[in-house]
Amino acid sequence: GAGVSQTPSNKVTEKGKYVELRCDPISGHTALYWYRQSLGQGPEFLIYFQGTGAADDSGLPNDRFFAVRPEGSVSTLKIQRTERGDSAVYLCASSLRGFWDETQYFGPGTRLLVL
Amino acid sequence: AQKVTQAQTEISVVEKEDVTLDCVYETRDTTYYLFWYKQPPSGELVFLIRRNSFDEQNEISGRYSWNFQKSTSSFNFTITASQVVDSAVYFCALSANTGFQKRVFGTGTRLLVSP
Repeated sequence: GAGVSQTPSNKVTEKGKYVELRCDPISGHTALYWYRQSLGQGPEFLIYFQGTGAADDSGLPNDRFFAVRPEGSVSTLKIQRTERGDSAVYLCASSLRGFWDETQYFGPGTRLLVL
Repeated sequence: AQKVTQAQTEISVVEKEDVTLDCVYETRDTTYYLFWYKQPPSGELVFLIRRNSFDEQNEISGRYSWNFQKSTSSFNFTITASQVVDSAVYFCALSANTGFQKRVFGTGTRLLVSP
C-alpha cells in the first residue's frame, strides 16, 4: 500500500510569512508524528497525534508552531511568522496504534527554506 | 532523559569491505526499544530493525547484523560486504517507556561506499 506522503516536497518562503505543511499517513494508522531535522542532525520530535487529538505537543519550539489533524487522518503543520531558524526538513511519520514501542514509518519530508 | 550518541560522523569504505556503525544510548528506563533507520539521499527514513531491551540476541538479516550489548549500552550495526547502494546516513534511535512516543535519534553516521 501507499506510504506516508508529504506536500509540498520543497517550500521557499520569506521571513515573516505563514506556511502550511501537509502529511497524509498510511491508511489505517491512528498515530501521526511530526519531526524536524536540521542539517547534519537527527530528527527531533515536535508533536504526536492519537486520532484527532494532540497527545503530546511538548516538542513544539514555541507558539508560532501549531498542528491539526481534524479528521484523524491528514495532518497540517502550521508555522506563523517564519524565521530563518525554522529552515529544516519537516518529517512526518505514522504508526498503527501509537504504542510507544511501535515502528514509525516516515514520509519523504518537506524541505522548508526561509529567506 | 534519553540520549543516543553516534560518535562516527562519516565513514568511507571501498565496496566489499565490512563496516560497523556504532550507537551508544542512555536511559534510566529498564524497558526500552532501539531502532536503526537508513536515510538515503531521497530523504525518506527507512526502518531497518527494532530491538527491545529484554532481547539481547544478535540479529542477522542478509548482509546486515546487529550487536546489542546492555553491559556497554551499545547497539552496533554491521554491514558485511558493503555495496555502493548502502551509501546513506544511518540513524540509531531510542524509545523508552517513560518517553512515550518520543523517539530520540542520534546525529547519524554518513556512510560512503565507493566502487
